[in-house]
Amino acid sequence: DGGITQSPKYLFRKEGQNVTLSCEQNLNHDAMYWYRQDPGQGLRLIYYSQIVNDFQKGDIAEGYSVSREKKESFPLTVTSAQKNPTAFYLCATRKVSSFMNTEAFFGQGTRLTVV
Amino acid sequence: DQQVKQNSPSLSVQEGRISILNCDYTNSMFDYFLWYKKYPAEGPTFLISISSIKDKNEDGRFTVFLNKSAKHLSLHIVPSQPGDSAVYFCAASGGNTGKLIFGQGTTLQVKP
Repeated sequence: DGGITQSPKYLFRKEGQNVTLSCEQNLNHDAMYWYRQDPGQGLRLIYYSQIVNDFQKGDIAEGYSVSREKKESFPLTVTSAQKNPTAFYLCATRKVSSFMNTEAFFGQGTRLTVV
Repeated sequence: DQQVKQNSPSLSVQEGRISILNCDYTNSMFDYFLWYKKYPAEGPTFLISISSIKDKNEDGRFTVFLNKSAKHLSLHIVPSQPGDSAVYFCAASGGNTGKLIFGQGTTLQVKP
């Protein structure tokens, strides 16, 4: 079954702990993205990667880290340095083409709650 | 610095009428624009897109208009249906950066 899998769907973390959100895709897309959604603030870009072993900071990268060791996987770590980690996290993928623009596809999201 | 802005947080329309959702952008390097629909606790789903070489793109009940000089795009839904009730996001990308930037979203309510 093709698509983007984010796991877990719900995640609880104690203050001061790091936590890693998983994003796996079998669409063979080159680019992957992490967004955060907060009420009234839309989708804000955390990190993105256009190719394996390379990634760039988005608009709100502080307190987060990523890796892109495989094309299929783009895990996001929320560190204890992130002051307001409670949010809905969305992973997206996109085919990279020199010839045409493409849309991004999203996973179902992970709701992270700090307790 | 919000490069993509949706200044209307919400919109309410009657079933069968037209819904018009607006989006403004500031970065002249953006050359591809997209609209997404989102339900609570789900990922956004792609609706329609437009390249900067066009000023209109139509797909069924959905039409996107682009005014490059005004750095403005709009999504028209005709006729609106109750199932269209959701949050709509516009997004933009451009250059070779690969960045895809979203607006804040507009909540559309279509009343029966």
